Amino acid sequence: GQNIDQPTEMTATEGAIVQINCTYQTSGFNGLFWYQQHAGEAPTFLSYNVLDGLEEKGRFSSFLSRSKGYSYLLLKELQMKDSASYLCASSDSNYQLIWGAGTKLIIKP
Amino acid sequence: DSGVTQTPKHLITATGQRVTLRCSPRSGDLSVYWYQQSLDQGLQFLIQYYNGEERAKGNILERFSAQQFPDLHSELNLSSLELGDSALYFCASSVDLEIYNEQFFGPGTRLTVL
Repeated sequence: GQNIDQPTEMTATEGAIVQINCTYQTSGFNGLFWYQQHAGEAPTFLSYNVLDGLEEKGRFSSFLSRSKGYSYLLLKELQMKDSASYLCASSDSNYQLIWGAGTKLIIKP
Repeated sequence: DSGVTQTPKHLITATGQRVTLRCSPRSGDLSVYWYQQSLDQGLQFLIQYYNGEERAKGNILERFSAQQFPDLHSELNLSSLELGDSALYFCASSVDLEIYNEQFFGPGTRLTVL
């Protein structure tokens, strides 16, 4: 079957670094997406990885290991506005996005 | 602003009623997706349309139906509503099936069933 696993909730301190992990098992693979969703709002695109390695975009970086079925989102210099849910989604062989349940990130001062 | 519009923003109705949610995709996007998100839950994929035709079905109840019109806007019809149908309903659109398929989400319709 198809499955995406990510932690339900994480807590971190303002100014620190946090890594949100995601493991996936999908029929075929056409890339891994990360989205950010603030409570009550629409998800917004953060990153896309299809090749192994690290993609850096400002304070946010995303890593992919295709052989391990593993990705992580790294957030640096955390700000209070980073408090949100982070959704991992894998694109399968039919280009359908299989969504994880999301990781709720709580930032404390 | 993603370019995807949804109406209405809020909808309050009673059990047993029927409602229609509307979505206009980004200009040029051929695919439309519908999602349901209950309070503090993940996104539940309901259904996808591509250029007017149903492309994929997720956990969509038989009481729910959708369609995509020639101008590519889409409507999600929810009937015989139950209390448990109260949720945020998101529409998303993407350019194409066979390429990098980032989905752009609309602001959502918050449905409250009393």
